[in-house]
Amino acid sequence: QKEVEQDPGPLSVPEGAIVSLNCTYSNSAFQYFMWYRQYSRKGPELLMYTYSSGNKEDGRFTAQVDKSSKYISLFIRDSQPSDSATYLCAMSGSGGYQKVTFGTGTKLQVIP
Amino acid sequence: DAGVIQSPRHEVTEMGQEVTLRCKPISGHDYLFWYRQTMMRGLELLIYFNNNVPIDDSGMPEDRFSAKMPNASFSTLKIQPSEPRDSAVYFCASTPLGNTIYFGEGSWLTVV
Repeated sequence: QKEVEQDPGPLSVPEGAIVSLNCTYSNSAFQYFMWYRQYSRKGPELLMYTYSSGNKEDGRFTAQVDKSSKYISLFIRDSQPSDSATYLCAMSGSGGYQKVTFGTGTKLQVIP
Repeated sequence: DAGVIQSPRHEVTEMGQEVTLRCKPISGHDYLFWYRQTMMRGLELLIYFNNNVPIDDSGMPEDRFSAKMPNASFSTLKIQPSEPRDSAVYFCASTPLGNTIYFGEGSWLTVV
């Protein structure tokens, strides 16, 4: 079993829809939770970062962490065609960000 | 800032040949990472350096893989001899003392 599981998709939604992306994990030592966005043929870039449990909002994006269920989510409101990308969850433990474990990514397509 | 710079962007080589991938991290970043990305396994950490010193190479798949960081502004990842299963996108990334990892645009390797 992988430490981090992520549905690969692809996920196709109409413009304006609410998107929910999710990851589950098995390592209870993870404390730092991140979402990276990767456009086609580009490197990943950090989108959201959360420490421990709770919610964090940044514009149209909301990250949620439920450590009791070992489940994290990224919500995108009013999705736009420019949101079309692969979204990777990532997490690290008390050892710090150096040992970041990534999910395999969910490919999202927002249709105009 | 120019970001993390990788070369070559694309490499096609024959099985058995030596491959050298190069990376220039962002100036002032103390940590440098080499990742490999495939559809099946996602983004995997191969090795990381702190202040030019290799800290963890447990992700290096085989002795055919080696990485060096002779100074703060340059690193190489070498595969010798290369095999078709090494075909992947190889990312170099760097970070200062923080939680955001900055990725390069990747080196797309195809071994035929």
